[in-house]
Amino acid sequence: DVKVTQSSRYLVKRTGEKVFLECVQDMDHENMFWYRQDPGLGLRLIYFSYDVKMKEKGDIPEGYSVSREKKERFSLILESASTNQTSMYLCASSLAAFSYNEQFFGPGTRLTVL
Amino acid sequence: AQTVTQSQPEMSVQEAETVTLSCTYDTSESDYYLFWYKQPPSRQMILVIRQEAYKQQNATENRFSVNFQKAAKSFSLKISDSQLGDAAMYFCAYTGDDKIIFGKGTRLHILP
Repeated sequence: DVKVTQSSRYLVKRTGEKVFLECVQDMDHENMFWYRQDPGLGLRLIYFSYDVKMKEKGDIPEGYSVSREKKERFSLILESASTNQTSMYLCASSLAAFSYNEQFFGPGTRLTVL
Repeated sequence: AQTVTQSQPEMSVQEAETVTLSCTYDTSESDYYLFWYKQPPSRQMILVIRQEAYKQQNATENRFSVNFQKAAKSFSLKISDSQLGDAAMYFCAYTGDDKIIFGKGTRLHILP
């Protein structure tokens, strides 16, 4: 059974803290994605990676960075968390990016920044 | 720029009835892919159905089918014989030209 896991389901952080969200997939997929999901806005792509150590900006990269040191792991980093980054964060992976291949999603991390 | 519009934020349907969720998109590309994803409450998002733009035949997966009208840039999802387990948030998504765009979602309620 294919799996994408995320390190936390719920996270509460304070403004200014550095936050790490971890995502691991066991499908040997080349491509991994980070989205944020907000009510009324749907999913918006933050960053994606098509290979180890490679990253590309999505539609809303400001305030975020990513790291992909191993194929199976893709981390989202909030260098200095702000209240407007309170959101649901979804990780996904796929065999090929922007193609017919479906994306497999993790359960999400609901981040609250106080 | 590509856009995806889901005009129905919420819908309700009686169990065992048929419901259609609408999705329109805008693109200047000729080759692209369209998806419907389902996000049940507190559960992971999963693929429901997908369509390649160059295929004229509408995709079907059991009780789920699409009405793909390329000229009108419309990609609606029909759910037949609705079941309680179909209650979820449904997202329409477009991918092509190194982009993926999701609609804002439609929350579907199933009435017993």
